[in-house]
Amino acid sequence: GAVVSQHPSRVICKSGTSVKIECRSLDFQATTMFWYRQFPKQSLMLMATSNEGSKATYEQGVEKDKFLINHASLTLSTLTVTSAHPEDSSFYICSARDRGQSAQHFGDGTRLSIL
Amino acid sequence: QQQVKQSPQSLIVQKGGISIINCAYENTAFDYFPWYQQFPGKGPALLIAIRPDVSEKKEGRFTISFNKSAKQFSLHIMDSQPGDSATYFCAAGYSTLTFGKGTMLLVSP
Repeated sequence: GAVVSQHPSRVICKSGTSVKIECRSLDFQATTMFWYRQFPKQSLMLMATSNEGSKATYEQGVEKDKFLINHASLTLSTLTVTSAHPEDSSFYICSARDRGQSAQHFGDGTRLSIL
Repeated sequence: QQQVKQSPQSLIVQKGGISIINCAYENTAFDYFPWYQQFPGKGPALLIAIRPDVSEKKEGRFTISFNKSAKQFSLHIMDSQPGDSATYFCAAGYSTLTFGKGTMLLVSP
């Protein structure tokens, strides 16, 4: 149980392109989803927290107009990197948490490469 | 107050040995302490977690020891196997999680 699917697993695109990443909870209702960014051989940095039907809460230093988050249903959240540039290249990982639970379950991440 | 300090940065253990990774936190409001295992190119997988009302939790070969007064907790991997070679992250928090910097574990055959 507690499977989180993230898609796509790898994206390579040109500078200026907008990229959408999907995060789905397959066997539970994710009332809260989280988006992280991870640089090579580094830790996970929380970007934002989204609750179903509410606006996302962004961590300090994360541009909300750059990283658009939508959590329209209890099983799906999306992260859109708008007008991506090479410095946005990174490993983006989502996690999901069921109502009343503490455990976060992670997807397998999306490797974003902006040329 | 949000920091979680993890050590060592890397660890080499012989097959069959015990791997020990330590973490320390500062925020006394934290009430959930999970450990995650991450393989290259994959997302972290939840291994085991503990709350501050218990001092130890064991699941298979994995044990968390928790010292509330010292604000420290550790992961012990018994009978370490080459398949355990991965990066391990501790985390702490309540509504959100703060992660340690990770420990790269190599279990030699």
